[in-house]
Order: sequence, then structure tokens, then C-alpha cells
Amino acid sequence: LVLTQSPATLSLSPGEGAALSCRASQSVASGYLAWYQQKPGQALRLLLYDASSRATGIPDRFSGSGSGTDFTLTIRGLEPEDFAVYYCLHYGSSPTFGQGTKVEI
Amino acid sequence: DEQVVETGGGLIQPGGSRRLSCAASGFTVGSNYMTWVRQAPGKGLEWVSIIYSGGDTYYADSVKGRFTISTDKSRNTLYLQMNRLRADDTAVYFCGGCSGNHDDAFDIWGQGTMVTVSS
Repeated sequence: LVLTQSPATLSLSPGEGAALSCRASQSVASGYLAWYQQKPGQALRLLLYDASSRATGIPDRFSGSGSGTDFTLTIRGLEPEDFAVYYCLHYGSSPTFGQGTKVEI
Repeated sequence: DEQVVETGGGLIQPGGSRRLSCAASGFTVGSNYMTWVRQAPGKGLEWVSIIYSGGDTYYADSVKGRFTISTDKSRNTLYLQMNRLRADDTAVYFCGGCSGNHDDAFDIWGQGTMVTVSS
């Protein structure tokens, strides 16, 4: 299984919206697709699990959608703290990460 | 609060060994599955190994036969024994746990420990 994230980099301004894509080389169960946020020197933060369920404490400006081979993380109205790298992950017996999308100012 | 803290990184010579530890608090190691992932400098995340509550283990092809994942429930700690280390094993190593609060997603992560393989 290969997860391909696009774009590699998104250059946006605070207040704008972002749509991050995660495409799988074969169909994956939605129940095993998660999105994470990574900032330098910090632990990975779970944003969404089961493709579209928000993790505890995650603001509702983050949403997820998709099924099969195409999944999307949408961020509505970027806040300054949202500029980071985002990864999708298919979790199971052989977890696979996408290569990441950097959201930069 | 569920937390994990990784330790054990450092500078290791090629061909050497190292054991990484991941001390858990707020939850029981072995109650659910746990994983190690790594991130080479300037690169993305790479899954390394996973251990299930029943003891089943799986490894990425890049580390199979060299790395061993294990748990010690008495110490509430996850380990990664790394043998025959190579330069391309240089990375920050993160451990991840699953609390069960978010179905089967890994929702507990540490800040990582840096492993540098160099002579």
C-alpha cells in the first residue's frame, strides 16, 4: 500500500481554507485512516480517525472525508497555529504514512 | 493523562546496537497495540514496528531481522532493540500508543529520541 499526499506544500494565509489530499494505491477501509499534525519538536497530534471523526479537543475547523482510495483533510479558516506538516496514516498490521503536506504561510 | 516518553537515543557506530525505551503513564502497555515510527532528518514519517496486545509483532522490511519490539508490563515500558545499525537508521524514533478512545487510531505519542549512526 502506498499513500500519496498532495500537494507537497501549500502556501496560504491565515483565514484561508486548505484541502489536503491522501490517495491510496489500493482501496483502504475508512475505519483505518487517520490524519496527524506535526510541529517541530512536538509529539504527533491526532486530528481525525476513521477518516472523518475528530479526535478529542480538535476544533471543528478540521474535517475529513473520503473513502476507498481518496481521502481529504479540510481546514476551514486557517489559524496561525495550523501552519505545520500534516500526514495521513493507514493503521493496521503494517501501518503506512503518506509523505506529508506542509502548510506554510 | 496518557503519556509516553522515549529514551535511549544517542551516537552509535555502524554495526552497533542500541535499545530504545518508551515509558508509558496513564495507561497499561500491552493493553492495546503500540508502535515505533521514525523520521530521518528532513524527511517524512516511516513506520518501523508494531506489537499487538497478544504479542504478535510486525516489522518494516528495512528493519526486519535487525530490530526487535517488545514490552515489559512490570515496567510499563515498550522497547525497540536495534542491532546491526546502519547510517540510514539515523532518525528520530517515536513510540505511539492506542488508548482506545479513538477506535484503533494511535493517539498517544512521545516527542521522540534521536538516534545517530555514524563513525
